[in-house]
Amino acid sequence: GAGVSQSPSNKVTEKGKDVELRCDPISGHTALYWYRQRLGQGLEFLIYFQGNSAPDKSGLPSDRFSAERTGESVSTLTIQRTQQEDSAVYLCASSFQGATSPLHFGNGTRLTVT
Amino acid sequence: DQQVKQNSPSLSVQEGRISILNCDYTNSMFDYFLWYKKYPAEGPTFLISISSIKDKNEDGRFTVFLNKSAKHLSLHIVPSQPGDSAVYFCAARDFGNEKLTFGTGTRLTIIP
Repeated sequence: GAGVSQSPSNKVTEKGKDVELRCDPISGHTALYWYRQRLGQGLEFLIYFQGNSAPDKSGLPSDRFSAERTGESVSTLTIQRTQQEDSAVYLCASSFQGATSPLHFGNGTRLTVT
Repeated sequence: DQQVKQNSPSLSVQEGRISILNCDYTNSMFDYFLWYKKYPAEGPTFLISISSIKDKNEDGRFTVFLNKSAKHLSLHIVPSQPGDSAVYFCAARDFGNEKLTFGTGTRLTIIP
């Protein structure tokens, strides 16, 4: 079946502009994660959604970052007033049930802020 | 504060030999550990996992060992194959929540 789909695959934006990144998880997966990977770094947790529970937003680096998820489907990550340090690959993952089920990652969105 | 550490950024191994990737952690509340493999321009893919109640888990050519007293885990790949060349990430789950903390990765190169 289809895997996790992310769009766009690449995004170049000017500093100060807002961007919206989209994630389509695997159907039936109740858990959805956003991570980012800056150049030469590991994966940095941003936010976690599980079903209808309140999301774990503890990894969002600033109030410029927000994310939404519609039920158990699509999620969008929005970055307002982008800064150059926001440049990274943003990865979305879904799993059947939290972190002890394998996370299935999308191929990521490479964001470049000029 | 890096709670999951992979101190070797890169490793080269001859094809057919054993590859050993290491990972150290500091948080004693971690109760579940996973290894993910990542090829360029792709998302990480799940490889193998281990619960903190075990000290070894094996799946084909891949074995993960957990030493809780040393807060250390390792991934053994034997025999190593060219297709194993990738970046390997160690990850850990904190008991009581569902977020995974990842290490910085080790780039494994298998030399034919």
